[in-house]
Amino acid sequence: GDQVEQSPSALSLHEGTGSALRCNFTTTMRAVQWFRKNSRGSLINLFYLASGTKENGRLKSAFDSKERYSTLHIRDAQLEDSGTYFCAAERASGSWQLIFGSGTQLTVMP
Amino acid sequence: DMKVTQMPRYLIKRMGENVLLECGQDMSHETMYWYRQDPGLGLQLIYISYDVDSNSEGDIPKGYRVSRKKREHFSLILDSAKTNQTSVYFCASRGDRGSSNERLFFGHGTKLSVL
Repeated sequence: GDQVEQSPSALSLHEGTGSALRCNFTTTMRAVQWFRKNSRGSLINLFYLASGTKENGRLKSAFDSKERYSTLHIRDAQLEDSGTYFCAAERASGSWQLIFGSGTQLTVMP
Repeated sequence: DMKVTQMPRYLIKRMGENVLLECGQDMSHETMYWYRQDPGLGLQLIYISYDVDSNSEGDIPKGYRVSRKKREHFSLILDSAKTNQTSVYFCASRGDRGSSNERLFFGHGTKLSVL
């Protein structure tokens, strides 16, 4: 079936540094969304992309449907960025079903 | 204020009991979802609802059913709960296709333990 492969599964960063998370898709996807699960367990929507890139503060996301991947870049990481990040890709079939990656657990250290 | 509300937040049931998880949204979204999340896994889609009485199975519908009688409410029902249905259940709603906001909004989740 359709797969969303998210990497890395875990990531540790020092405050002020940055890195990138990636999701690869086994098939063409219509759009992608990125979420952060905070310490209270709530899933916060960070981005919705149907193409191209979007930036919000220290976060930047890109989505390439043809190459079947999406990335989430974090720069100048802060302690409050810690949490689990998920990508979710929407099948191109028009069913509006989203498939989630298995998540990246980010820990930002002082 | 855009909000998806789930009730209850925590629930403990015995195997074989019936379970009702409720979800409400105040955005008049047509499309709503039920997911479950287990440790080490991403969210798995149980059911999707495209509007009142217009529901479709997701990837793992077995053992679940849903009800959508009003646009703002979407219920997940477990008839005769099983221990492997212990999980955290998330409800979500989504901005309408072609609107300026197709984002997915999640509730806080319901942690269900089936003993």
